[in-house]
Amino acid sequence: EDKVVQSPLSLVVHEGDTVTLNCSYEVTNFRSLLWYKQEKKAPTFLFMLTSSGIEKKSGRLSSILDKKELFSILNITATQTGDSAVYLCAETQGGSEKLVFGKGTKLTVNP
Amino acid sequence: GAGVSQSPRYKVAKRGQDVALRCDPISGHVSLFWYQQALGQGPEFLTYFQNEAQLDKSGLPSDRFFAERPEGSVSTLKIQRTQQEDSAVYLCASSATEWGKQFFGPGTRLTVL
Repeated sequence: EDKVVQSPLSLVVHEGDTVTLNCSYEVTNFRSLLWYKQEKKAPTFLFMLTSSGIEKKSGRLSSILDKKELFSILNITATQTGDSAVYLCAETQGGSEKLVFGKGTKLTVNP
Repeated sequence: GAGVSQSPRYKVAKRGQDVALRCDPISGHVSLFWYQQALGQGPEFLTYFQNEAQLDKSGLPSDRFFAERPEGSVSTLKIQRTQQEDSAVYLCASSATEWGKQFFGPGTRLTVL
């Protein structure tokens, strides 16, 4: 059974649309939840969330964690073609620093 | 500034050959991680080091996989007697502190024929 589940698995939108990507995770000894953007190379760090209800924001991207319902969302407003990528969600749990990733959401932004 | 670097970027091996993949973390980073990413999947954890100590190797799929970081900086992931199912992208990441955000290298794409 997957510990980190992302939805949707793929999404196609037009430039200017707003998208919401979802990530649910396991609660066992939860420590933090991270979002990464992966184009054709290294995943690049977006956000790390540890506290519930506090929104993190960077430009057009924002993310929030709900520790009661065990999920996080990543919002992208006014999407651009450069936002096309796979967005990965990962969890860390106490006891090991390893990241446990979901399968990712492939976002395609068409002009 | 310099990020995480990995070499080689691409490696083709015949089944049964041994391979060695190198990772140079960001200078001064304490923790170093190895992940395996199959096509269309998220990265899967293999092992990690804090300085030279290998703290978790629970993700190594078999005893053909071996990793080391002898001086607490550069790390090598070695795969012996490669099999076709070892074909994947191998990602290395490092973090400055315990539980810090991880920065990834570009990966090594291994193809086993």
